[in-house]
Amino acid sequence: EVQLVQSGAEVKKPGESLKISCKGSGYSFTSYWIGWVRQMPGKGLEWMGIIYPGDSDTRYSPSFQGQVTISADKSISTAYLQWSSLKASDTAMYYCVRGLAMIVVVPDYWGQGTLVTVSS
Amino acid sequence: QLVLTQSPSASASLGASVKLTCTLSSGHSSYAIAWHQQQPEKGPRYLMKLNSDGSHSKGDGIPDRFSGSSSGAERYLTISSLQSEDEADYYCQTWGTGISWVFGGGTKLTVL
Repeated sequence: EVQLVQSGAEVKKPGESLKISCKGSGYSFTSYWIGWVRQMPGKGLEWMGIIYPGDSDTRYSPSFQGQVTISADKSISTAYLQWSSLKASDTAMYYCVRGLAMIVVVPDYWGQGTLVTVSS
Repeated sequence: QLVLTQSPSASASLGASVKLTCTLSSGHSSYAIAWHQQQPEKGPRYLMKLNSDGSHSKGDGIPDRFSGSSSGAERYLTISSLQSEDEADYYCQTWGTGISWVFGGGTKLTVL
């Protein structure tokens, strides 16, 4: 069974750093993309970026380039999303999503989400 | 600019059918999309990939009650024999430049 299990909820202060994780199981972690999607409170879904753990090829949405860093450790089948200096506007639910490479990369399995709250 | 437009809300009665619409912006009518369902307080779930010719491939375990179709720049998700658990937000998604994902604003479906 394919599973993406994300790390637990976080409460941080503005200016702090944070790294959240997404562990894949039930499939070959290095053969699929892992994307990250933000959902701000009461809002829709926004694509942040994506990584191919097999060779660490990483792409970012222009909206998030320079704001976050996406990485992966294939030895433990885990992808990461990190911030060096959080802002209150980073408060949101963050989802990791497996991407199946067909002609396009199809987001076919979603993690359960990690809620990040940034408040002074 | 690639944009997906969805009605903010829809409603239908228990046991009935409903057809949700996702409209691709001008110049992008040949694009495939995917549909995702987000039940209240849950993460999204992939439903299907829908091509411009109406062919579609569903995700694992998605019931036959869910089907997709296409006409021009419009992509549809039809849910038949509506159940209470179908009450959810439904997002369409397509592919932009490179490997980017573009999401519609979502439709909130209420089952009456």
